[in-house]
Amino acid sequence: EADIYQTPRYLVIGTGKKITLECSQTMGHDKMYWYQQDPGMELHLIHYSYGVNSTEKGDLSSESTVSRIRTEHFPLTLESARPSHTSQYLCASRTGGTGELFFGEGSRLTVL
Amino acid sequence: SQQGEEDPQALSIQEGENATMNCSYKTSINNLQWYRQNSGRGLVHLILIRSNEREKHSGRLRVTLDTSKKSSSLLITASRAADTASYFCATDQGGSEKLVFGKGTKLTVNP
Repeated sequence: EADIYQTPRYLVIGTGKKITLECSQTMGHDKMYWYQQDPGMELHLIHYSYGVNSTEKGDLSSESTVSRIRTEHFPLTLESARPSHTSQYLCASRTGGTGELFFGEGSRLTVL
Repeated sequence: SQQGEEDPQALSIQEGENATMNCSYKTSINNLQWYRQNSGRGLVHLILIRSNEREKHSGRLRVTLDTSKKSSSLLITASRAADTASYFCATDQGGSEKLVFGKGTKLTVNP
């Protein structure tokens, strides 16, 4: 069982609201990642971090932002949610550069 | 950019049969990984094969890697209904910190 947690698991909000998806891991991993996945589709990397105070944009352009103030915490924020942001957001972490990823259970966001 | 491409997109078999899924990629890699995702859940790591390995086993799983063809296959032997899930390959694009996933194969094992 991976020690990486995402909250909330499900969120339904109205357009224009600010939301933060939380991701925490207790494994001491330096590297953390956010992927976006529509139902039945592939994962797209939107943000990643090599460690504290390090954040990089992924391959898929996203209006979300991330921060990494603590090793264990990698929250994702949408300042003004839109229906196009409706998707599942998956957080993952790993130690080292090429090892396996540990995933959280995901946060399914619906913007009305 | 899409690195891994799984084939077939969907596969339906009977319990007890073997399931084979293929993955093709475009750039050089250090390793290739396979993951499983149950509907609506996060991904779970199954197996990692390094670029200098040709075959690897883990329980009922067998993975092969052909770097000359830039392809990999995942074989699940004696499948069970509980194996029903989507399976993704992921590659590191030549040692990049980023792991890029394919579109996945949706496997249905009928009891």
